[in-house]
Amino acid sequence: GDSVTQMEGPVTLSEEAFLTINCTYTATGYPSLFWYVQYPGEGLQLLLKATKADDKGSNKGFEATYRKETTSFHLEKGSVQVSDSAVYFCALTLLGGKLIFGQGTELSVKP
Amino acid sequence: DTGVSQNPRHKITKRGQNVTFRCDPISEHNRLYWYRQTLGQGPEFLTYFQNEAQLEKSRLLSDRFSAERPKGSFSTLEIQRTEQGDSAMYLCASSLSFSTNEKLFFGSGTQLSVL
Repeated sequence: GDSVTQMEGPVTLSEEAFLTINCTYTATGYPSLFWYVQYPGEGLQLLLKATKADDKGSNKGFEATYRKETTSFHLEKGSVQVSDSAVYFCALTLLGGKLIFGQGTELSVKP
Repeated sequence: DTGVSQNPRHKITKRGQNVTFRCDPISEHNRLYWYRQTLGQGPEFLTYFQNEAQLEKSRLLSDRFSAERPKGSFSTLEIQRTEQGDSAMYLCASSLSFSTNEKLFFGSGTQLSVL
């Protein structure tokens, strides 16, 4: 079935370090891909998305490129801040719009 | 845009009792979704509505679970004869359309604890 696999956390980085969170997917069709973020005490919110192969989604300094050949959508940021500490979820949608999520990766950024 | 509202925020119940949660989506959104999230896991899809019609239910949704959206506005999720395994965060989300590109707006969830 359709699924999303993320690298396990928690990931602990120092401020201004480079971030990569790996995400791969399995899908029978041509999904749209998303990264959602959950800050402490808040609801899930969309961080970025990409709807077709080779698209790059970006927001708040985060980027992810839809790679059909490797079925991946890795999240990157060049310089993380303490305020980026959160849980990050990779997700896909096929027909119907329902999201299928990965298990989440907790990021902790230390000053 | 007041966001997606869920009530109650927390619910503690004894095994075997019935519980009901409410979700108020963003007013013009015609899609409404229910998800369940346990600690350390991503949200799992339960069911969704297009207006008042329930279009899909996950196999995770046993006969003890029922969801309604009677007038295409707010929705309720009822769990009958609760079990300890039902303890989880129940999330509601809404969206404007059924496009696969559409952004979902999530509520803060209802945390259920079954004792």
